[in-house]
Amino acid sequence: KQEVTQIPAALSVPEGENLVLNCSFTDSAIYNLQWFRQDPGKGLTSLLLIQSSQREQTSGRLNASLDKSSGRSTLYIAASQPGDSATYLCAVFLGAGSYQLTFGKGTKLSVIP
Amino acid sequence: ETGVTQSPTHLIKTRGQQVTLRCSSQSGHNTVSWYQQALGQGPQFIFQYYREEENGRGNFPPRFSGLQFPNYSSELNVNALELDDSALYLCASCFWNRVNYGYTFGSGTRLTVV
Repeated sequence: KQEVTQIPAALSVPEGENLVLNCSFTDSAIYNLQWFRQDPGKGLTSLLLIQSSQREQTSGRLNASLDKSSGRSTLYIAASQPGDSATYLCAVFLGAGSYQLTFGKGTKLSVIP
Repeated sequence: ETGVTQSPTHLIKTRGQQVTLRCSSQSGHNTVSWYQQALGQGPQFIFQYYREEENGRGNFPPRFSGLQFPNYSSELNVNALELDDSALYLCASCFWNRVNYGYTFGSGTRLTVV
């Protein structure tokens, strides 16, 4: 059974700092991994998608890496801003006929002005 | 792309009642999945529908059921509501064919059971 763990559960940083969020998964036979952002009480916004054959993806100040063999991914946020405050979730997709995403519990990020 | 729309956005039900949540699929996506997200937790997979049939289910009891219509819109029905059913329910329309992949979430329905 695939399990996804995110560390830390919560993180508070001053504005301008660079930060790293961690995600680990138990079954390396994934098709892709996604990082989502969720604002309080809202739905999910996809930030970055990494295919299993890729090592990293970048979008603006965000960079996500994937080490499939070790079952790890990181989301790097550069020059954090108060608007980055949200919960960040990672999810793995196995493919092979299943559309199920398996999520971690998320990291709640607070960026202090 | 038209996005995924869920209705209602919020509702309050009494324990033991039944509820129906609705979701409109994104154009071109033939699969819909439903997730339950309890407070402080990640979304948990409930089930998925492909071509109007359930073809995948998570660890949820039979009182959670669904429908998918020919236009790929979907309903989630929950019978005999329990207090622990209080959560954000997320619908996602998806497609995957080894060449392309798309997974789009709606904004969710917040269900409170009292």
